[in-house]
Amino acid sequence: DAGVTQSPTHLIKTRGQHVTLRCSPISGHKSVSWYQQVLGQGPQFIFQYYEKEERGRGNFPDRFSARQFPNYSSELNVNALLLGDSALYLCASSLGGTIETQYFGPGTRLLVL
Amino acid sequence: AQRVTQPEKLLSVFKGAPVELKCNYSYSGSPELFWYVQYSRQRLQLLLRHISRESIKGFTADLNKGETSFHLKKPFAQEEDSAMYYCALSPWGGNTGNQFYFGTGTSLTVIP
Repeated sequence: DAGVTQSPTHLIKTRGQHVTLRCSPISGHKSVSWYQQVLGQGPQFIFQYYEKEERGRGNFPDRFSARQFPNYSSELNVNALLLGDSALYLCASSLGGTIETQYFGPGTRLLVL
Repeated sequence: AQRVTQPEKLLSVFKGAPVELKCNYSYSGSPELFWYVQYSRQRLQLLLRHISRESIKGFTADLNKGETSFHLKKPFAQEEDSAMYYCALSPWGGNTGNQFYFGTGTSLTVIP
């Protein structure tokens, strides 16, 4: 199993643009979570999806949205990009129960100019 | 609100010396606690979690509810232990799903 995969690996955008990040979970995992990791900080929770439903949302503005597809893959969308959105975006998958170990992807590094 | 604090950003120890990475948390309920590790150029991976009570790569961690701590320990550090370590909390119960709250991480360097 390749583990959690994310695309693209790197991305450069300018302020005001929109970005879509993609994640494929480990086979058999039904839950996907998204985290933002700013340089020098730990990952910060953005969203969790389970069976295509949003199960949790962190303290992020409405510019951030996500969805999960029937095959359990997921997209994170960020509108009206700000310089402060520059970060490593991590996707993690888990089986779907409560307090499950999360398995992380390699991340997408987003730079907003 | 839940919070995880790792007071040391950087920690250096000599090979063979004991190592302790500190983690304190604040949460009104009963949390599950994890340690994740990130080796150079690798993805974040689980090192251990409290409920399994396993010892992984010689590391152990004890949950002290009185001191709200979950410090990571190893009696004899090895060079391959050099990595970034993150403590994480996931709240039990309620409708919180599977949200993880991470500390800011401690970068451990084991000096040969």
